Order: sequence, then C-alpha cells, then structure tokens
Amino acid sequence: QQQVKQSPQSLIVQKGGISIINCAYENTAFDYFPWYQQFPGKGPALLIAIRPDVSEKKEGRFTISFNKSAKQFSLHIMDSQPGDSATYFCAASTGTSGTYKYIFGTGTRLKVLA
Amino acid sequence: ETGVTQSPTHLIKTRGQQVTLRCSSQSGHNTVSWYQQALGQGPQFIFQYYREEENGRGNFPPRFSGLQFPNYSSELNVNALELDDSALYLCASSQYNEQFFGPGTRLTVL
Repeated sequence: QQQVKQSPQSLIVQKGGISIINCAYENTAFDYFPWYQQFPGKGPALLIAIRPDVSEKKEGRFTISFNKSAKQFSLHIMDSQPGDSATYFCAASTGTSGTYKYIFGTGTRLKVLA
Repeated sequence: ETGVTQSPTHLIKTRGQQVTLRCSSQSGHNTVSWYQQALGQGPQFIFQYYREEENGRGNFPPRFSGLQFPNYSSELNVNALELDDSALYLCASSQYNEQFFGPGTRLTVL
C-alpha cells in the first residue's frame, strides 16, 4: 500500500514532442505529489508538485495531471528539449508541518533526440 | 542549487567498516530526511529527523543510525558495512512539505 508505481521505465522522444510519465498509488492518505528531475551524479531537483484537491497544475512546459478517483497522476513535458534528458521520479507523501515523508517511484529515464 | 550540502562527495570503504556521512540543511529548514539510492532505482527512505528527534524510519536495520544537531545539520552513520550498502546517499532538508536534496555521497563498499 506504500508503493508508488511509475511507468514507463524509459522513454525516447523527438525534440519538440510531448513526454508523458505516469504514476499510480494505493494509499489514499497521500496528500502531496511532487516530481523530481535528476541528472547523472546529481541529487534530485524539485520540478513541480500538486495536491489532490487540484486536477491539473502547469509550470512552464511542465504539467501535472491528477486523477484522484483513479489514484493516478502524470507528468507532461511539452516541447521536449535535449536538455530535458534526465531521470524523472514521482513521489507521494503525507504528513504534517515539516515532517512529510516521501515514497518515490522507480524512475523514468527520458532521452530527447535532437 | 538548493543550499543543501553533503560531505564527503565520494567514499570507499571495506566490508565491516563504519562510515559517517554529513549533511548541512538549507537555512531555515528544521527537518532532514535521509535516502539511499541504489543504481537505477528511486530513493528509498531511511529516516527523518525533526528538531533533533528521529521522526520516522524506513525499512532499514538498526546499524543505520543518525543524529541531528541544534543547527539542524545531520549525520548518517552506518556500522558493519555490507556490499549492498554501496549506493548514493541523499539528504533532503525541508520546512514544510517541499524537500530539497543535496548532491549526495557516493559510497562504495569493497
């Protein structure tokens, strides 16, 4: 029940295309869903996050779509660029104040072809 | 850059040894979480410290232990190192729900 399932494991997209990564969870207590981007040799960097009372959130080329009833959420990268080539992780968390604990998905390795 | 720093960057140890990893949290953040990231995997939650007290632990044995200091910096200690402990160890600092990660410490156990 604590797992977050992420797909696909890897993704190849042409420059200018749309990259879509999906995640699913079971625990309905989760109330915060961030996405992280990680380049080789670096720590994960927070991209965008959403709460379950919102169905969509957009920041620049990055959009999260959230389906509470299906317990699924996805990251869409519009106009994908070679610089977006990285590993992307979804996470789900619950907590209070400063004590949120994250469960991460297994990651999606994205390659954007020039 | 997040302002979260970790040391050392890389570390090589042999099986059975002990290791201490350090993390300085971002200014104003009172919570530090530690994660283990094996190659090709997502970060796995080890434990979290909130105002110098352990505040939750993942599925890791007691030989993984930690501390948080009054300035909210933190240490991760691993005793009796095993080959499977080879991984990238990440710390993340937070004030509320957003966690900001450091660059990690790459630990290799031979």
